[in-house]
Amino acid sequence: QKEVEQNSGPLSVPEGAIASLNCTYSDRGSQSFFWYRQYSGKSPELIMFIYSNGDKEDGRFTAQLNKASQYVSLLIRDSQPSDSATYLCAVNLAGGGADGLTFGKGTHLIIQP
Amino acid sequence: AAGVIQSPRHLIKEKRETATLKCYPIPRHDTVYWYQQGPGQDPQFLISFYEKMQSDKGSIPDRFSAQQFSDYHSELNMSSLELGDSALYFCASSPHEVEANVLTFGAGSRLTVL
Repeated sequence: QKEVEQNSGPLSVPEGAIASLNCTYSDRGSQSFFWYRQYSGKSPELIMFIYSNGDKEDGRFTAQLNKASQYVSLLIRDSQPSDSATYLCAVNLAGGGADGLTFGKGTHLIIQP
Repeated sequence: AAGVIQSPRHLIKEKRETATLKCYPIPRHDTVYWYQQGPGQDPQFLISFYEKMQSDKGSIPDRFSAQQFSDYHSELNMSSLELGDSALYFCASSPHEVEANVLTFGAGSRLTVL
């Protein structure tokens, strides 16, 4: 079982609607959580990171973390066609240090004009 | 702003050959990570370095080795290449933080093994 799970999609959302992306993780010791966006053939770009329970907002993006339920989500408001990409959830399993992030397989998001 | 620089961007090799990828982190970033991403796959962590010492090791094959130099740049050496090594190889760098290491990725090096 992969340590970071995401629904691979595709998730299709009409333009202007809210896109909701979910991620669960298995290690309760996980400390920090990241959402990256990746266009095909390009490198992952950081959208947000969160390490405290609750919500964190940045523009159209809101990350939500619930450590008790071991899930993290990303909401994208007013979805735009340019948001169409694969969204990777990543977890730092040990917290801090120079440990590598563990990525989920990503959710392919399609914003329909 | 300066980003993570990777070279070469594209590399074609034959089976059993050797390849070297280079990564120049963002200035003042002291931690470097290497990831391998196969077609349609998520990035797989290979190895990381902090202050020129190996810090964490992931699914890096024994045929691969890496190091970080005094100027913080890193090189990934791959020997006895196999067809399955064809992938995008990303380098990422981060400043060393206690709470959350925010990784910035380079554009990647695409390795094709024929």
